[in-house]
Amino acid sequence: NAGVTQTPKFRILKIGQSMTLQCAQDMNHNYMYWYRQDPGMGLKLIYYSVGAGITDKGEVPNGYNVSRSTTEDFPLRLELAAPSQTSVYFCASTWGGSSPLHFGNGTRLTVT
Amino acid sequence: AQTVTQSQPEMSVQEAETVTLSCTYDTSESNYYLFWYKQPPSRQMILVIRQEAYKQQNATENRFSVNFQKAAKSFSLKISDSQLGDTAMYFCAFMNPGGTSYGKLTFGQGTILTVHP
Repeated sequence: NAGVTQTPKFRILKIGQSMTLQCAQDMNHNYMYWYRQDPGMGLKLIYYSVGAGITDKGEVPNGYNVSRSTTEDFPLRLELAAPSQTSVYFCASTWGGSSPLHFGNGTRLTVT
Repeated sequence: AQTVTQSQPEMSVQEAETVTLSCTYDTSESNYYLFWYKQPPSRQMILVIRQEAYKQQNATENRFSVNFQKAAKSFSLKISDSQLGDTAMYFCAFMNPGGTSYGKLTFGQGTILTVHP
C-alpha cells in the first residue's frame, strides 16, 4: 500500500521560478489537504479539497494554487517562488467521518 | 478561530521514566477532536493518540495516554516507560469535525522531546 505519495522529496528554487508539488493517494479518499511547516513551527493549512473538482483556501493560501481533477491527485502550484515559501510541505488525505489523516513524507523546498 | 498552545518548547526525560507534555486550546465549539502527532527526525507525521470531546474517558494507546480536561480546555500527553525511539517533536492538534471542516487541523507550536539513555 503506497498511501500518500509526494514528489519531489527535496527541491531548490530560485526567486521567481515556478514549480508544482505532486501529491497522489491510492486509498480513494475524498478529502485532501496541503499543509506547510516552517522551521520549529506547527503545520498550517494552505488549501484543501473535499472531492474532485472542489477546492478551497485554508489559512495561508497566498502564492499558491491547487487543482483536483481526479480523486487520486492534488497538485500544489507555486507560480512565483519567494524566500517566504521556504518550508516543508505536507500533503494529507482522509475518508472523513472519524477516520484519521494519512500524511505523505513531505517535500522540503528552499527558495534562494 | 481555534488556537492551540504548547507552552513547553523542549522537554527531556531519562529512558524508562514518565513524561507529560502540555497542551491547551481555545474554542467555542462543544464537539471536536484532539490529537497528538509525533514527528521524528525523518519528518513523518505519525498519529499517536486521538480524543473525541464528547467522550469523558481519557484515550489510551499502549504507553501513551491523555488527560483531557474539557472545562479547562487542557489536553496533556503522558508517555510512560519512555524509550529512545520516542525522541521526536510532538504536536497537539485540534479539529472541528463539522461539515467541510474535517481534516482541517489547527496545530500547536510543538514540543521537542529528547529521551536520554
